[in-house]
Amino acid sequence: SQQGEEDPQALSIQEGENATMNCSYKTSINNLQWYRQNSGRGLVHLILIRSNEREKHSGRLRVTLDTSKKSSSLLITASRAADTASYFCATDEAGGTSYGKLTFGQGTILTVHP
Amino acid sequence: GAGVSQSPRYKVAKRGQDVALRCDPISGHVSLFWYQQALGQGPEFLTYFQNEAQLDKSGLPSDRFFAERPEGSVSTLKIQRTQQEDSAVYLCASSLPETGQYTYEQYFGPGTRLTVT
Repeated sequence: SQQGEEDPQALSIQEGENATMNCSYKTSINNLQWYRQNSGRGLVHLILIRSNEREKHSGRLRVTLDTSKKSSSLLITASRAADTASYFCATDEAGGTSYGKLTFGQGTILTVHP
Repeated sequence: GAGVSQSPRYKVAKRGQDVALRCDPISGHVSLFWYQQALGQGPEFLTYFQNEAQLDKSGLPSDRFFAERPEGSVSTLKIQRTQQEDSAVYLCASSLPETGQYTYEQYFGPGTRLTVT
């Protein structure tokens, strides 16, 4: 079963704009990860944030985590057409396995128009 | 270096046929995961191997699904007597840590798109 929900389900923006997508989850976690999936391809890991971290940056990506609200957001700044993809959050649930089993959200489809 | 590879990339099976999907993880990766991704959904966990040991098969939807990793490297997901609801993309992922160690990212293969007609 899916861990939680992502919103929006779809996002359409112009190149150069920022894109923000949100993820909510249901259980306590060890970490939360964001993945990108281009059409017809596997998932590519973008960033991992641990449960004791509140914010993390990687290039044009900024991730926040609010464990009290069980939510996370992914911000992509200065978007490019190449950022067009589906974005998934995935959680490694605390108190369960210790090998990194991931539970994914439904995903946000991002379209960046040139 | 080489990433995770999966074969075949596409498979069409008639209902009732058996299929076998192959995953070649990154060399040296201890952990191997299989996920099922239905159209428009996020991936869902099927099973996990640490080396050759299948430590978690809680996500396998029925006893028609069987996975193995006999030598701790290549893995095969087998689906017997395929049904239309088995149509999905099957993703394989590998990662380095052993059980109990810090969790790192998973490296995904391109997936096998299975269509059952």
